[in-house]
Amino acid sequence: DQQVKQNSPSLSVQEGRISILNCDYTNSMFDYFLWYKKYPAEGPTFLISISSIKDKNEDGRFTVFLNKSAKHLSLHIVPSQPGDSAVYFCAASEPFQGGSEKLVFGKGTKLTVNP
Amino acid sequence: GAGVSQSPRYKVAKRGQDVALRCDPISGHVSLFWYQQALGQGPEFLTYFQNEAQLDKSGLPSDRFFAERPEGSVSTLKIQRTQQEDSAVYLCASSPSQGLHTEAFFGQGTRLTVV
Repeated sequence: DQQVKQNSPSLSVQEGRISILNCDYTNSMFDYFLWYKKYPAEGPTFLISISSIKDKNEDGRFTVFLNKSAKHLSLHIVPSQPGDSAVYFCAASEPFQGGSEKLVFGKGTKLTVNP
Repeated sequence: GAGVSQSPRYKVAKRGQDVALRCDPISGHVSLFWYQQALGQGPEFLTYFQNEAQLDKSGLPSDRFFAERPEGSVSTLKIQRTQQEDSAVYLCASSPSQGLHTEAFFGQGTRLTVV
């Protein structure tokens, strides 16, 4: 039972265009969402996050949108660059309750940006 | 070091062998996580430490898996009597605080192959 779903295993876009990566979740207790980027043979690196009290967070070329009613978030990269080619993971966590801050990850979407 | 360091980077074990995977978190980071990433999947939570206390081990798949962080810094994940299904990348992550949503910093991982 996957709580975080990335339904597109791969995405290919042209350099300079917009990349949109999507993520759906089922657990209404999630209150914090993150996107991680992963290159081959490296660990995931943090990209951008959003709290459930917001619907948008922007950092340079990267913007994350959150639609709580639809339990959906998306990552927009504009303009896309060849160096953005990587696997992108969506992750979510519940409010800290003195126990664990564990992240629940999706399966990832492999983005390829073509020159 | 500047980041999370894991060793070894690669480990080949014969089925039934015991293995120990090491994680050096970022200095001063309170929280430490272990994740397991199977091929084509997202990272899956194994266990969580707050300093030396193991607060959540709900993700450990069996009693063959054991983790410790005796002095609140370096952590070791031990797998006894390895099985082929244990083959995966084991990721360690640390974060500076507990109770506040912050991103976790991941190491490069240890790729375990059980033959």
